[in-house]
Amino acid sequence: QQQVKQSPQSLIVQKGGISIINCAYENTAFDYFPWYQQFPGKGPALLIAIRPDVSEKKEGRFTISFNKSAKQFSLHIMDSQPGDSATYFCAASMYGETSGSRLTFGEGTQLTVNP
Amino acid sequence: GAVVSQHPSRVICKSGTSVKIECRSLDFQATTMFWYRQFPKQSLMLMATSNEGSKATYEQGVEKDKFLINHASLTLSTLTVTSAHPEDSSFYICSARGRAANYGYTFGSGTRLTVV
Repeated sequence: QQQVKQSPQSLIVQKGGISIINCAYENTAFDYFPWYQQFPGKGPALLIAIRPDVSEKKEGRFTISFNKSAKQFSLHIMDSQPGDSATYFCAASMYGETSGSRLTFGEGTQLTVNP
Repeated sequence: GAVVSQHPSRVICKSGTSVKIECRSLDFQATTMFWYRQFPKQSLMLMATSNEGSKATYEQGVEKDKFLINHASLTLSTLTVTSAHPEDSSFYICSARGRAANYGYTFGSGTRLTVV
């Protein structure tokens, strides 16, 4: 029940295209859904996050779509650029419970944006 | 924004020696620290969770005598890999969270440990 399933495992898009990564969760107690971007040899960096009281959040070229009834959320990267090539992880947690609530990570998606 | 500094970024040690990795929250008080291990092309695997002033809680399968975690202050947590062996070679990442319920999870830049 703690798992977060992420797909696809890898994704190749052309510059200017839309990259879409999907995640599904089981635990209905999760109330915080962040996406992280990780470059080789670096720690994950928060890209964008959403709480379940909204269905969509947009920050620049990055958008999270959230479907509470389906227990799914996705990351859309518009106008994808070669610099977006990285590994993306979705995650989920019981955010406000305590500061000790752990993040449960998806398996990761290796995104390659071709010039 | 919240910043977590992790050092060293890379370390090479001989088999049988111990290595200490530091994780500092620079501009907030980290009441909880998380330590992760990451293998190539895999997701982050939580090793342990520590709250300031308390003993760390280790995940199933993680040897607490091999991976010593200290969280003695609100700005510093350390992970010591004791009697390191080549199979301990990995990428170790810390993450910190502050006292307030709306504090997010801030990650360090990671430490590449190579045991030779």
